[in-house]
Amino acid sequence: GIQVEQSPPDLILQEGANSTLRCNFSDSVNNLQWFHQNPWGQLINLFYIPSGTKQNGRLSATTVATERYSLLYISSSQTTDSGVYFCAPWSNNAGNMLTFGGGTRLMVKP
Amino acid sequence: EAGVTQFPSHSVIEKGQTVTLRCDPISGHDNLYWYRRVMGKEIKFLLHFVKESKQDESGMPNNRFLAERTGGTYSTLKVQPAELEDSGVYFCASSPKNEQFFGPGTRLTVL
Repeated sequence: GIQVEQSPPDLILQEGANSTLRCNFSDSVNNLQWFHQNPWGQLINLFYIPSGTKQNGRLSATTVATERYSLLYISSSQTTDSGVYFCAPWSNNAGNMLTFGGGTRLMVKP
Repeated sequence: EAGVTQFPSHSVIEKGQTVTLRCDPISGHDNLYWYRRVMGKEIKFLLHFVKESKQDESGMPNNRFLAERTGGTYSTLKVQPAELEDSGVYFCASSPKNEQFFGPGTRLTVL
């Protein structure tokens, strides 16, 4: 199956700072999703981004499928951005499932 | 539009007992998935339904786990008998085609 590595594993930011989270994967992928797990455990969809760049407010994501990585950018971070961010690619070669990375745990301090 | 719902939100049972988790997908989504996260591990796939048919159950850990989706609507995941290592959070997701939408999860604790 696909191997997924996310970095950094932990990140502490001061409110207002910017950050980049990285997701590397070991195989070519057909789909990729980014999720934010909030303090209550809910997985919130951020982006469905098999390739290219998308933006949604202060967040944007880029997937370069040919180089097997995806990036999530958070600008002007807020305390409500705290939580765990998961990258989950999907490859048709590896079954009908998302494969989750270990996540990046983000804490934004006021 | 209502999201994916799961019931119960929490369940505490003793080793050897039976527990049934329920998932109601987003209306109209043919694809339904079960995932789980056990302590200290990553979120892992369990199985995938397309309507009422099991498309892929390669992630089911053993025959103590039984999933059903009668009528192609809601799904149940039964654990019988439960073991200590089954403790974790069980997520359900649904999808019309590609993008998956997750429910809030059921936190299962086996004592």
